[in-house]
Amino acid sequence: GESVGLHLPTLSVQEGDNSIINCAYSNSASDYFIWYKQESGKGPQFIIDIRSNMDKRQGQRVTVLLNKTVKHLSLQIAATQPGDSAVYFCAEKNSGAGSYQLTFGKGTKLSVIP
Amino acid sequence: DAGVIQSPRHEVTEMGQEVTLRCKPISGHNSLFWYRQTMMRGLELLIYFNNNVPIDDSGMPEDRFSAKMPNASFSTLKIQPSEPRDSAVYFCASSFPNVETQYFGPGTRLLVL
Repeated sequence: GESVGLHLPTLSVQEGDNSIINCAYSNSASDYFIWYKQESGKGPQFIIDIRSNMDKRQGQRVTVLLNKTVKHLSLQIAATQPGDSAVYFCAEKNSGAGSYQLTFGKGTKLSVIP
Repeated sequence: DAGVIQSPRHEVTEMGQEVTLRCKPISGHNSLFWYRQTMMRGLELLIYFNNNVPIDDSGMPEDRFSAKMPNASFSTLKIQPSEPRDSAVYFCASSFPNVETQYFGPGTRLLVL
């Protein structure tokens, strides 16, 4: 079946450097994508989202890029800080009418080296 | 503003016992989702409600699991009887009408011995 997957399960980044977390999706009918951050012992926290009619969206220190041609999603974190250490999940929503279910990837663990 | 509230935060029980997890969604949200998270399977959707009505329960593992939403501000997920393989973190999430962004609660860590 179609699912959301991640290229890299773990990522270590030096503090101050930029981080890039990648996500591949296989459902061409997905029209909405979202990134969550999950710190240890907490629930997933919304970071940023993007619709399929866009290819880039920026937030505070974060940017999400969407490449529909190769079905690839990425999360860029600028000037990574120790507080960014967490597991990051991408999720997609199928454009099926009336459906607001999200399908989550397995997650990438980001470790920031001080 | 209060986020999604879940209780209990931790639950340790013995195999065969009944477990009830509780969730209070964010006020104004009309969609509520129950997820289970394990290392092996990641985050799995169990069931979701829209306007207190179950829309899709295809993710519920088996008949031992049941969920209810008697009103817009309360939902329960019940496991009876519980088994060790049910050990996981159970999350509740809610969203505004016709909005995809879901907001998660802190989760309930369940350990079935």
